[in-house]
Amino acid sequence: KNEVEQSPQNLTAQEGEFITINCSYSVGISALHWLQQHPGGGIVSLFMLSSGKKKHGRLIATINIQEKHSSLHITASHPRDSAVYICAVRFPGAGSYQLTFGKGTKLSVIP
Amino acid sequence: SAVISQKPSRDICQRGTSLTIQCQVDSQVTMMFWYRQQPGQSLTLIATANQGSEATYESGFVIDKFPISRPNLTFSTLTVSNMSPEDSSIYLCSVTGAGGDTQYFGPGTRLTVL
Repeated sequence: KNEVEQSPQNLTAQEGEFITINCSYSVGISALHWLQQHPGGGIVSLFMLSSGKKKHGRLIATINIQEKHSSLHITASHPRDSAVYICAVRFPGAGSYQLTFGKGTKLSVIP
Repeated sequence: SAVISQKPSRDICQRGTSLTIQCQVDSQVTMMFWYRQQPGQSLTLIATANQGSEATYESGFVIDKFPISRPNLTFSTLTVSNMSPEDSSIYLCSVTGAGGDTQYFGPGTRLTVL
């Protein structure tokens, strides 16, 4: 069964801390997405990765294909980063654009 | 990029009634999807909305309960029929960008069934 595991489930950090959220998956993938969901429910796509590393502002996403693992890092965290972060992967052969989602990591950044 | 809007943003409905959710995209897209997110859970794909043909449903979802229309490449509707409290969820519309690399999501429709 193709699975996506995220850790931790919940994370509380002080403003300014460096944050890491992890995602691991069971078999090889064709792409991995990091998504951000705010309390209202809307989802924003942060990154799409198939290899290496991407950076956007204070956010950095890395992926290790051999280890089947990805991390999302937030530098100098801020209360406005408080959200649920979701890892989603596309498994080859699962339907061209079908995504499998992790359960999410709820991040709370305290001032 | 693609900007997606959904209507309504939220609703509270009575058991046994139906609600139609609209999804509008600001550009023509090939692949359009409907997801459900039950409280405390991750997203589950309901169906792929196909333009000009019947939607493709995932296991556990049927057309009678979740009829979908896709009259053109920028618009789709999802109806939640004969609702029960178990249908209380966030329903999200999603599209795939050109080339299939990026996934865009709508703001979601938060449905509460009493």
